[in-house]
Amino acid sequence: EAGVVQSPRYKIIEKKQPVAFWCNPISGHNTLYWYRQNLGQGPELLIRYENEEAVDDSQLPKDRFSAERLKGVDSTLKIQPAELGDSAVYLCASSLDDYPRGQETQYFGPGTRLLVL
Amino acid sequence: QKEVEQDPGPLSVPEGAIVSLNCTYSNSAFQYFMWYRQYSRKGPELLMYTYSSGNKEDGRFTAQVDKSSKYISLFIRDSQPSDSATYLCAANQAGTALIFGKGTTLSVSS
Repeated sequence: EAGVVQSPRYKIIEKKQPVAFWCNPISGHNTLYWYRQNLGQGPELLIRYENEEAVDDSQLPKDRFSAERLKGVDSTLKIQPAELGDSAVYLCASSLDDYPRGQETQYFGPGTRLLVL
Repeated sequence: QKEVEQDPGPLSVPEGAIVSLNCTYSNSAFQYFMWYRQYSRKGPELLMYTYSSGNKEDGRFTAQVDKSSKYISLFIRDSQPSDSATYLCAANQAGTALIFGKGTTLSVSS
């Protein structure tokens, strides 16, 4: 079974430029997460989708970040314009909810390493 | 204060040593506790998870949770060079975001 796929793996841009990251979750997983991992830190949630609906975007800096999950499968995370402080690894994860609600195991992709110059 | 605290290390041990990794947390509502392993330039992979207090063993790995002291531990027996990685503890309530510690970098020398 293929894991979570992310692209690109690396991206170098100049500040104020736009950038987009793409994620394809594990087939059948209805919950998708975007995390940001700064150097020497653990991942921090940016946004969580259940199917097409963003159910937790409280930590997403909405002035410059946007995300979408069309048809409840693939997702795109965009930054416009990028700032120096956005340099980080952007991780996508997916999980399969069960009912009654238990603990969903989150499977992570390899991440996109962003460097803003 | 972060909700999950973890000493970043680094921690260096010889092959065969017993490794103890620890985290503390502040949110008494947390029910699920996880350890993820992250190799360099890879995404985190789930190693162990525990619901509420207690121990869980899987091969050379043992996870412990003490909710009374809000303490999370991971023990690695007979450590191997392939165990060299960053270990992230995480906790949450069902249906909420995982809260990660900073991660502890472990190096096992042969």
